[in-house]
Amino acid sequence: QQQVKQSPQSLIVQKGGISIINCAYENTAFDYFPWYQQFPGKGPALLIAIRPDVSEKKEGRFTISFNKSAKQFSLHIMDSQPGDSATYFCAASDHARGGADGLTFGKGTHLIIQP
Amino acid sequence: ETGVTQSPTHLIKTRGQQVTLRCSSQSGHNTVSWYQQALGQGPQFIFQYYREEENGRGNFPPRFSGLQFPNYSSELNVNALELDDSALYLCASSVGQSEKLFFGSGTQLSVL
Repeated sequence: QQQVKQSPQSLIVQKGGISIINCAYENTAFDYFPWYQQFPGKGPALLIAIRPDVSEKKEGRFTISFNKSAKQFSLHIMDSQPGDSATYFCAASDHARGGADGLTFGKGTHLIIQP
Repeated sequence: ETGVTQSPTHLIKTRGQQVTLRCSSQSGHNTVSWYQQALGQGPQFIFQYYREEENGRGNFPPRFSGLQFPNYSSELNVNALELDDSALYLCASSVGQSEKLFFGSGTQLSVL
């Protein structure tokens, strides 16, 4: 049973535009929501993360918006650049279980930024 | 500071064989997790080791087993390989129970 649903599967954005990727979760015990960026041939790298006590977190051009009541969160990439072209994964975990269940990942979004 | 390193980078095995994958944690990290990433999918949690003991496991059968050594390096062993075991196997290290995971580049396993 997939507990984190991610959309869209693929996304093409023009350089300078805003890229938006959405995720929805089912498990209300989740209390940590990271986004990972993965380039071909590399492992995922942590981009930004949020906890449910805030509705938004911004780091540079990357922003997470979080809606606890809707059980949804999204990644916004402002001023998208060709170097942002990668696969992006949302994930979630229940920190209270101390890592016993690991991170639950979405299926990923293949983002292409066109010059 | 060295990152997470995994070996080998690529491996080809035959169905029914056994395989051992290796991982060296990032300096100062004492927790290791393993993930399986099938083509076009997100990583799936296999298990986590802390202080040389397994302290969490995902929905994987017992033929997936692991070890963590006193220097915090780790091994993933898979017995009786099946075709569906073909995937990228990722190792991630962290400090204690921190959720901040640092991934290696993975081992690409192909089972023929």
